[in-house]
Amino acid sequence: AQSVTQPDIHITVSEGASLELRCNYSYGATPYLFWYVQSPGQGLQLLLKYFSGDTLVQGIKGFEAEFKRSQSSFNLRKPSVHWSDAAEYFCAVGASGGYQKVTFGTGTKLQVIP
Amino acid sequence: NAGVTQTPKFRILKIGQSMTLQCTQDMNHNYMYWYRQDPGMGLKLIYYSVGAGITDKGEVPNGYNVSRSTTEDFPLRLELAAPSQTSVYFCASSYPGVSNYGYTFGSGTRLTVV
Repeated sequence: AQSVTQPDIHITVSEGASLELRCNYSYGATPYLFWYVQSPGQGLQLLLKYFSGDTLVQGIKGFEAEFKRSQSSFNLRKPSVHWSDAAEYFCAVGASGGYQKVTFGTGTKLQVIP
Repeated sequence: NAGVTQTPKFRILKIGQSMTLQCTQDMNHNYMYWYRQDPGMGLKLIYYSVGAGITDKGEVPNGYNVSRSTTEDFPLRLELAAPSQTSVYFCASSYPGVSNYGYTFGSGTRLTVV
């Protein structure tokens, strides 16, 4: 069975500072990995995804994530955070088959202070 | 292009009442999903469908039913509402194929059972 762990429930960063959100996954084969962002009262929006190939993937809104197989990690990064990045971020893992069913982590809430 | 539309946005039910959460998508996506989101728990898959007439249970299906008579619509039915079903419900859709892997979410239905 696939699973995702996001060890940080809440993170606070200053505007302009760099950001790294941690994600560890468990899956027996090559995983399909995703990061979604949820603004308050909204649905989730796909930030980026990894299937294969280059382990550093670029997403929308200036985010990137790096797949590290040896560490079973897929951490999300941004070099300079903007106040509008305050939201909840979800890491997710999907199977290579199985009709694209995805397992989500419990989320990390990002607070940005001026 | 409306994407995934969920109605209603908010609803309060009394214990034992029933209701249907509506979900429709206009992207001709084959795959559709219902998730519930509870604080600190991430999203849990309730039911999913891979096409009209085909549905299957997810991780937490008890107390819910679904149907898929058309490609566009995937309603979620609560027959006897219980307080444990107080949650935010999200519908999502996607298209088959590795390159299409990644959900489009609706904006959610916040349900309170009292």
